[in-house]
Order: sequence, then C-alpha cells, then structure tokens
Amino acid sequence: EPEVTQTPSHQVTQMGQEVILRCVPISNHLYFYWYRQILGQKVEFLVSFYNNEISEKSEIFDDQFSVERPDGSNFTLKIRSTKLEDSAMYFCASRAIHTGELFFGEGSRLTVL
Amino acid sequence: ILNVEQSPQSLHVQEGDSTNFTCSFPSSNFYALHWYRWETAKSPEALFVMTLNGDEKKKGRISATLNTKEGYSYLYIKGSQPEDSATYLCASVGANDYKLSFGAGTTVTVRA
Repeated sequence: EPEVTQTPSHQVTQMGQEVILRCVPISNHLYFYWYRQILGQKVEFLVSFYNNEISEKSEIFDDQFSVERPDGSNFTLKIRSTKLEDSAMYFCASRAIHTGELFFGEGSRLTVL
Repeated sequence: ILNVEQSPQSLHVQEGDSTNFTCSFPSSNFYALHWYRWETAKSPEALFVMTLNGDEKKKGRISATLNTKEGYSYLYIKGSQPEDSATYLCASVGANDYKLSFGAGTTVTVRA
C-alpha cells in the first residue's frame, strides 16, 4: 500500500540553525500538507501546496518557514533560524483525490535546544 | 481555523465493552468531517470522511454518525479490543478551503 514517508524521524538542532524536513508524498496525490503538533497541544495546520505553489497557509507559517517540491517527488519544509518554540512533531500529508482523506507520514520530531 | 472540540479527552474501557465519544464543530460553512485513528509512534490513519447530514459509516467494529445541522459527530467502538487503544482525532473542513482543523483527540485505553 502506498505511504507517505518522512525524514528524519528525529532531529535535534541548536536555536538559530536551519532545519529541512523531507517528505515523499503518495505519487498520484495532488495536494500536500504540513501539520505540526506541539507536545500536549492540538495538531495544527501549517501549509497546503498544490500545483507547485502554496495554496493556503496559517498564521504560524511566517517568513521563517518555506516549502518546496524541487524534483516532483520530495516535498520539503524549511525552518530558518529555529526557535525553542519550533520544537514539535511535524507531519507531512497528501490528500487522496477521490475520497479527500489525508495520508500522513509518521512525523519528524524536531527538538530545538 | 475552525474550533473543533472533542470529549472526553480520555477514557478507559474494559475489553468487550462498547463506547462512544463526541466531536463538535461549527455547523456553518461545513464541508466535511474526518476521523483519524492515531496509535503511538505511528502516523494518523484515516477512518472516515463524512460529508452528508445523517451520514453513518462503518469499518469493522467502529462506526461514526454525522449531524451537520447541530455540528457534531459520534464515533462508536463496539466490543472494544486492546488493539483499539489509540487517540481518535476528528477534523472539520470548511467549505472555503481544504484545511483540516483538528480537535485535541480522545485517547481510548482498552483494558484486558
């Protein structure tokens, strides 16, 4: 069964460093998403991506964040100059065309020290 | 972002017992309601996507109902088994976009 894969599973970084989280969505899906969950809080929407551009983004997704799909397979989330409050589990998801359900990766846990 | 609430936050169920829990969401501008099952150290897995008022969906021992007029959905687990232990997330989708707004989840623990 096709699945969404994410790397790394866990990254520890120093405050101020740049982090790139990678995702390989399901190949025939068209919409891609990043969500995050800060420990003990709700899963929060960050950004959606369609046709090689951002279609929606939340207030969280400020200039510190960027996404791209450089090679038609990988979908990356870049966090510049990480802050302590960026520590969270980041989930990538892609949306099934007909049912609308989201298929999630297993998440990348980011720890900012 | 839509305000989605789930209750209870957690519950403990004896193996073999049935249980249910609630997701409430804004009824205005509604497009779809998703349920996901999330086991520890795994990715959330879609259970149901529901769009129509009165819709009922079933997958094995798990079923869900939807009331879009009053803005709630119930998830039912019949004859709970230890493998049903997980956090169950609901998410509402508004008509203007396809951003899922998640509830905080209901964590179910089934005791053998």
